[in-house]
Amino acid sequence: RKEVEQDPGPFNVPEGATVAFNCTYSNSASQSFFWYRQDCRKEPKLLMSVYSSGNEDGRFTAQLNRASQYISLLIRDSKLSDSATYLCVVTTGNQFYFGTGTSLTVIP
Amino acid sequence: DAGITQSPRHKVTETGTPVTLRCHQTENHRYMYWYRQDPGHGLRLIHYSYGVKDTDKGEVSDGYSVSRSKTEDFLLTLESATSSQTSVYFCAISAGVREKLFFGSGTQLSVL
Repeated sequence: RKEVEQDPGPFNVPEGATVAFNCTYSNSASQSFFWYRQDCRKEPKLLMSVYSSGNEDGRFTAQLNRASQYISLLIRDSKLSDSATYLCVVTTGNQFYFGTGTSLTVIP
Repeated sequence: DAGITQSPRHKVTETGTPVTLRCHQTENHRYMYWYRQDPGHGLRLIHYSYGVKDTDKGEVSDGYSVSRSKTEDFLLTLESATSSQTSVYFCAISAGVREKLFFGSGTQLSVL
């Protein structure tokens, strides 16, 4: 079983739409959680950390559900510039584990 | 942006030749990592370092070695490159084991 699993998509949404991604992790001892954004042929960049209480950064909201072992990312009012691949990342012990990414395309 | 430089950015080599990729950081972070990224597999850890001369294997370490003689430099060596090592290689750094990861711009390696 993979440490981290994501729906690969692709998600194609119109501008202004709200879109949500989920990611499940297998190890209940996982400690830290992040969402990264990766543009085509570029390096992943940190979008936001994910906390148990949930956290928001502008149009982006991240949630962590430890009981069900999943994290989510909600993007409101989608922009064309949000088109990218979104990676969920989980730390377990001294290792980072990555989902394979969810592809998002925002359509004009 | 975090100060991480990878070199070279692109490399084409032949099967059986040795290849060394370099990662240089200016953040003085303790942890450094080498990942490879392939379609359908996501990012997979090759090796990582938790201090000068302290390294450990990751998920896909076979055929790779690393060295870290200074805090700022982490080298990845393919002793004898194979076509299966064609990939995009990313270096990453973090201040601690559960701290945020910051990535270099990547090296596209093609082994013919």
